[in-house]
Amino acid sequence: DAGITQSPRHKVTETGTPVTLRCHQTENHRYMYWYRQDPGHGLRLIHYSYGVKDTDKGEVSDGYSVSRSKTEDFLLTLESATSSQTSVYFCAISDFGGDAGANVLTFGAGSRLTVL
Amino acid sequence: AQRVTQPEKLLSVFKGAPVELKCNYSYSGSPELFWYVQYSRQRLQLLLRHISRESIKGFTADLNKGETSFHLKKPFAQEEDSAMYYCALSGGGGSNYKLTFGKGTLLTVNP
Repeated sequence: DAGITQSPRHKVTETGTPVTLRCHQTENHRYMYWYRQDPGHGLRLIHYSYGVKDTDKGEVSDGYSVSRSKTEDFLLTLESATSSQTSVYFCAISDFGGDAGANVLTFGAGSRLTVL
Repeated sequence: AQRVTQPEKLLSVFKGAPVELKCNYSYSGSPELFWYVQYSRQRLQLLLRHISRESIKGFTADLNKGETSFHLKKPFAQEEDSAMYYCALSGGGGSNYKLTFGKGTLLTVNP
């Protein structure tokens, strides 16, 4: 598989606790994204990054923060998890502007988060 | 704002039958359209993109700007085509590094 890994792959936590999901890439791609996947909603963009320390909000960013201190890592943090944040979270990377041309995303395997 | 609509949550066909997964979009400029697929227990992966005008696994999709559609078609469905399919749009200008996805269509191909 492509050089993108997510950790943890599964996590169960309680309401009000902080949670951090990690996305690690070995492709040296500039763009990184966090999506959540929910039945009936498809994939929705939470946050994305267009470079080290350069991040911006997506369509469902409330309750989430991100950080990117180096090219290969993009962290998604839920400061105080709620049951509505129970979801499958996907990280994606893109070489947009590079050889690929069009913005083709490569996805991680996903992280399943359950908030009780 | 950019929006992608996949009107069918579920689509069920028999093996060998033609299949069409619908996708309509809303975008004021010149978008780039993609189809992504997620097979059971596998990662989301790119199936095809309109700029390539290619056929992947027998699937084709034509961008119809007049109808703002990008329907995915295959003349003879196979059981291994059963998967979740997502249509996605990348806008031009300053937002072309963000993909907006539809809600997905779960395709089941019955034997």
